[in-house]
This record gives sequence, structure tokens and C-alpha cells, in this order.
Amino acid sequence: AQTVTQSQPEMSVQEAETVTLSCTYDTSENNYYLFWYKQPPSRQMILVIRQEAYKQQNATENRFSVNFQKAAKSFSLKISDSQLGDTAMYFCALTGANSKLTFGKGITLSVRP
Amino acid sequence: GAGVSQSPSNKVTEKGKDVELRCDPISGHTALYWYRQSLGQGLEFLIYFQGNSAPDKSGLPSDRFSAERTGGSVSTLTIQRTQQEDSAVYLCASSLDSTGVTEAFFGQGTRLTVV
Repeated sequence: AQTVTQSQPEMSVQEAETVTLSCTYDTSENNYYLFWYKQPPSRQMILVIRQEAYKQQNATENRFSVNFQKAAKSFSLKISDSQLGDTAMYFCALTGANSKLTFGKGITLSVRP
Repeated sequence: GAGVSQSPSNKVTEKGKDVELRCDPISGHTALYWYRQSLGQGLEFLIYFQGNSAPDKSGLPSDRFSAERTGGSVSTLTIQRTQQEDSAVYLCASSLDSTGVTEAFFGQGTRLTVV
């Protein structure tokens, strides 16, 4: 079985500031992938960033980057220069070759003008 | 189509009635997932189809829930004798495979309201 834990239910950040969203996970697989998805009020789930577990280098997509600590089973998302459009629910997710896509409970991020 | 399509987008039904929710995945995607999301909450896994393998039904909350995937493409989630606690958004996602090499793409969901 695999689990994904997001312990912070909500966070708030000032526009243009940086915020970090936490995620921990557990899996018995050696080869797995981690994701952060964004769900704005429109309800459409959008992939923000993904990380292959076998890669040591942290993934980066423009203002979004991750801090992947494999030994600690931690996968946090950093959003730099926060924008009003970043307001959404963010979900951490995990999948492996022999396991289904599993999501955390999500965190509601509010960006204040 | 270009993305995952779900229908209807909204459904209001009376308690005790049966409902069918439809998902059209992206063409060629072998993996298909159904999730349930209650208001402001996380995604609750329901069922997972991967190619011709037997589906993983471990997330279905009761025997009132069932799903099928015909011809490896369109999927239908059926809820029999609906209850008020079934009210939620039902999300469908598909991916090229289940290994995680490619991302899962989501539909916009069906908002089910049981009155």
C-alpha cells in the first residue's frame, strides 16, 4: 500500500512572496513518480510539476520547483513570486509501475493581493 | 477529443434513483481512474482500469457503486439507489499507461446532487 500525506489544510501568502507546500509519502516501490496537481475554482485538475524518483535533481517548472528528499520521503512544492492565479487547491500524488495514482488530501492556497 | 470528457457536468437526482456518469478518456490512453471529491475535500479513489487487466475496485464505497469500461475506451460509473451522502464531484482521469511516465489528465467532473 502507498500513502500520501498533506498535513496542512490551508495556507495563505502575499502576492509576489514565496510559499512552500509540504507533502510526505510512503511506498514500497523502488521506481515511482511524484506529482503536484493544481485545482482552481473551475474544478479542472492541472499538472504543475512531476518528479521521477530515480532522478536526484529537483524538478523545476518556471516559478514552481520541488524539494525532493528521497530518504525522508518528502516532496515539497515551492511557488516563487506568487500570483493571484495561483489561488487553488494543490494535491500531491504518487504512482508507481505496480500501483495506482494516489492523492493526498490537498491544501487550499490563498494568494492575497 | 482533445481532452478527457465527462457527462453530464451536473446531475440532480432524487434519493433512491440510479444514475450513470460517463467518461470519455483521451484516445489511446490505457489507464482510467474514477475519483470522488466531496466539497472542498481531497480525492477519494474509487476504481482503476488498466488495459485488459481486471479493474482495481478497492475504492468503491459500497455495492451500490459499479463501473465498467467498454472496449478499453469509454467508462460508465453507475450508482444505484442513490443516497444523499453520494453527493459529490466525480472526477475521471486517464493516462497513457499506469507507470507514471506520463501524467494523468482529468475531466472537469460531474457534480452529483442527491435530493
